[in-house]
Amino acid sequence: SQTIHQWPATLVQPVGSPLSLECTVEGTSNPNLYWYRQAAGRGLQLLFYSVGIGQISSEVPQNLSASRPQDRQFILSSKKLLLSDSGFYLCAWRRGQSSYNEQFFGPGTRLTVL
Amino acid sequence: GENVEQHPSTLSVQEGDSAVIKCTYSDSASNYFPWYKQELGKRPQLIIDIRSNVGEKKDQRIAVTLNKTAKHFSLHITETQPEDSAVYFCAAGAWNSGGSNYKLTFGKGTLLTVNP
Repeated sequence: SQTIHQWPATLVQPVGSPLSLECTVEGTSNPNLYWYRQAAGRGLQLLFYSVGIGQISSEVPQNLSASRPQDRQFILSSKKLLLSDSGFYLCAWRRGQSSYNEQFFGPGTRLTVL
Repeated sequence: GENVEQHPSTLSVQEGDSAVIKCTYSDSASNYFPWYKQELGKRPQLIIDIRSNVGEKKDQRIAVTLNKTAKHFSLHITETQPEDSAVYFCAAGAWNSGGSNYKLTFGKGTLLTVNP
């Protein structure tokens, strides 16, 4: 069966510090991978998606970046965090071959920028 | 790009009553409409979905209807229970212009509270 992991689970960082969040998927190959951010009490904002190693598409221009160094690894980074970067970051995966494949979310990372 | 509107943003019902959440979408190319339930502090989880070639789907107390012409779809929960309390998200899925990636666009969510 497939599982998706995210770490860390929680993170408190000062403004201006760097960020690295990691997401890995087990039990499948060549997944489509997604990063979402959920601000408090709000919806799911798609930040980045990737269809393969080294292939990143950005949905919202901001001070975040993403990388996919391995097939089942997706990393979200920032060089300098802003207060507005606080939120619940969710990684998700789905099989890419069909429109109707279920999208699975990871457990999330709760980021607080102080 | 796709735009998904979801209403209401909050919904409070008595245990045993029905709850209805409605969504509209803008992109006629969208062909898959999942609904996710997110409990407090947890990840969203799929509860039901419907394809564009289907008008209605039911799974026990949960049903979803789709009107492609009007571009709207709805979630119906009957005989609500306190454990149904959560945030519910609708989404619409479509391929990007190049056909290389499939993307879900989510509504802003509905906070459902079921009062005992």
